[in-house]
Amino acid sequence: AQSVTQLDSQVPVFEEAPVELRCNYSSSVSVYLFWYVQYPNQGLQLLLKYLSGSTLVKGINGFEAEFNKSQTSFHLRKPSVHISDTAEYFCAVSLPPGNTPLVFGKGTRLSVIA
Amino acid sequence: KAGVTQTPRYLIKTRGQQVTLSCSPISGHRSVSWYQQTPGQGLQFLFEYFSETQRNKGNFPGRFSGRQFSNSRSEMNVSTLELGDSALYLCASSIGGGRQVYEQYFGPGTRLTVT
Repeated sequence: AQSVTQLDSQVPVFEEAPVELRCNYSSSVSVYLFWYVQYPNQGLQLLLKYLSGSTLVKGINGFEAEFNKSQTSFHLRKPSVHISDTAEYFCAVSLPPGNTPLVFGKGTRLSVIA
Repeated sequence: KAGVTQTPRYLIKTRGQQVTLSCSPISGHRSVSWYQQTPGQGLQFLFEYFSETQRNKGNFPGRFSGRQFSNSRSEMNVSTLELGDSALYLCASSIGGGRQVYEQYFGPGTRLTVT
């Protein structure tokens, strides 16, 4: 069975600084990879996804992630964060062929400090 | 398009009672998935319905059940509530069907508190 590990439960960062949220997965087969964001009292919103092809994936709100098969990682990055990026971020995997359940990591709480 | 709607948004129940949560997917979406979110266990998959049939099921006891109607609206039911069932229950809808990966759109959730 696949699993997802988000290495940091909380990441504080100053406004306009870069940030990296780490995600490692475990699976014996190829997976699809996702990053979701959850703002307070809201559901999850998809930031970006990797299905195949280019290992560098660009998403919404200036976020990007790089798929590294050898390290089984899918780290999320943003070069300059804003106060509005304060939220919980979840990494998730699912198995091909599609429409299979998402398996989530425990989440990383990003706090942007003014 | 209207987003995924979940009702009610907040619910307080007593141990031993049962509860029904409702989810209305985005128009045209035929797949509805349910997830439980707790501080300890994180986000866990409950089940998924597609065209009124349960297509996938997570590892939850039989007290948790669901169904989907012909208009794709879905309900989940929890019987004999336990304190540990206190959680945010999230519903997600997608177009579904085929072998493609479709984006799942999440509702705001129903916050269930069991006392």
